[in-house]
Amino acid sequence: AQRVTQPEKLLSVFKGAPVELKCNYSYSGSPELFWYVQYSRQRLQLLLRHISRESIKGFTADLNKGETSFHLKKPFAQEEDSAMYYCALTPLRGIYNQGGKLIFGQGTELSVKP
Amino acid sequence: EAQVTQNPRYLITVTGKKLTVTCSQNMNHEYMSWYRQDPGLGLRQIYYSMNVEVTDKGDVPEGYKVSRKEKRNFPLILESPSPNQTSLYFCASGAGPNEQFFGPGTRLTVL
Repeated sequence: AQRVTQPEKLLSVFKGAPVELKCNYSYSGSPELFWYVQYSRQRLQLLLRHISRESIKGFTADLNKGETSFHLKKPFAQEEDSAMYYCALTPLRGIYNQGGKLIFGQGTELSVKP
Repeated sequence: EAQVTQNPRYLITVTGKKLTVTCSQNMNHEYMSWYRQDPGLGLRQIYYSMNVEVTDKGDVPEGYKVSRKEKRNFPLILESPSPNQTSLYFCASGAGPNEQFFGPGTRLTVL
């Protein structure tokens, strides 16, 4: 079964500290993985995708197929990073047909204290 | 302005009274999807649509119906709502499931 697990409900760090939000997935095929973020009173929005290998707002995430993980990292947390973060997976069914499913983890609330 | 809109934003209803939550997008996206968000469970996909007249079940479709007669609209229908459908509902659209734009959410309470 396809599953995304975010083991931490709440992660609290001080400003300037490194942060790592954990995400593990279960899927036998090739997935595409994402991180979505929801700031207070704002809509859920895409933060980054593993395929694009970007760094957005200082965040990076590397897909580790051996450990089936896609942890989100930032070397120096800022107060404005405080938000709810969701890891998500979509199963790939070949190059042209991705299917339509998107599976989210339970979410991790990041709190960055001054 | 490119956006996904949902109506109503807040709804309190009673068990068994049919309701529809509308979702509309102005970005000409082929893909649309509905999710529910519950504490401790994250977001769970209810239904999705790859294009007009093409819909498919997500992980939690029971008790819900959808239709996709036009590209821009994807209404969520609860024929006989029950209290366990009290939740925060999000609609999203995109070129595919890999980059979705989310609506503002609809908070539904079923008494």
